Amino acid sequence: QKEVEQDPGPLSVPEGAIVSLNCTYSNSAFQYFMWYRQYSRKGPELLMYTYSSGNKEDGRFTAQVDKSSKYISLFIRDSQPSDSATYLCAMSGDAGNMLTFGGGTRLMVKP
Amino acid sequence: ETGVTQTPRHLVMGMTNKKSLKCEQHLGHNAMYWYKQSAKKPLELMFVYNFKEQTENNSVPSRFSPECPNSSHLFLHLHTLQPEDSALYLCASSQGVKTQYFGPGTRLLVL
Repeated sequence: QKEVEQDPGPLSVPEGAIVSLNCTYSNSAFQYFMWYRQYSRKGPELLMYTYSSGNKEDGRFTAQVDKSSKYISLFIRDSQPSDSATYLCAMSGDAGNMLTFGGGTRLMVKP
Repeated sequence: ETGVTQTPRHLVMGMTNKKSLKCEQHLGHNAMYWYKQSAKKPLELMFVYNFKEQTENNSVPSRFSPECPNSSHLFLHLHTLQPEDSALYLCASSQGVKTQYFGPGTRLLVL
């Protein structure tokens, strides 16, 4: 079993839709959770960062962490074609500075 | 220059060549990382440097040789690579917290 599971997609939605992207994980020591966006042929760009459980909102993006279920989500409201990219979840425990990444979900927002 | 820069952006090399990838971070961070990203696979951590000292070598073959002369610069020296080493090589940096900031990557093709 992989430490972090993420549906590879592709997920295709119409412009303006609400998008839900998810990751599940097995390591209960994970405390720090991140979402990265990666456009084709570019490096990952940090989108959201949360510590422990709860919600965090930034513009059209909302990150949710449910540690009891070992489940994290990224919601995108009013999705735009420019949101088309691969979204990577990443997480880490308290010790060290290494991240464990999911495989990424490819999102396509169609005009 | 801002953020994390990488050169070259594209590289084609034969299996007998020697080449080097360069990464520079302009963020004042104290940790730097090399990752390999292959198609349809999660990001693979290769090396970690904290305060210029290598703290992680994730079972990487010796044909990849990292060098970190100072906390702002990181190199990856390549020698007698194999076609399966063709991938996007990403550099990242971080400071004290868990979030890592990535460069644009070097797309490497080994013939």
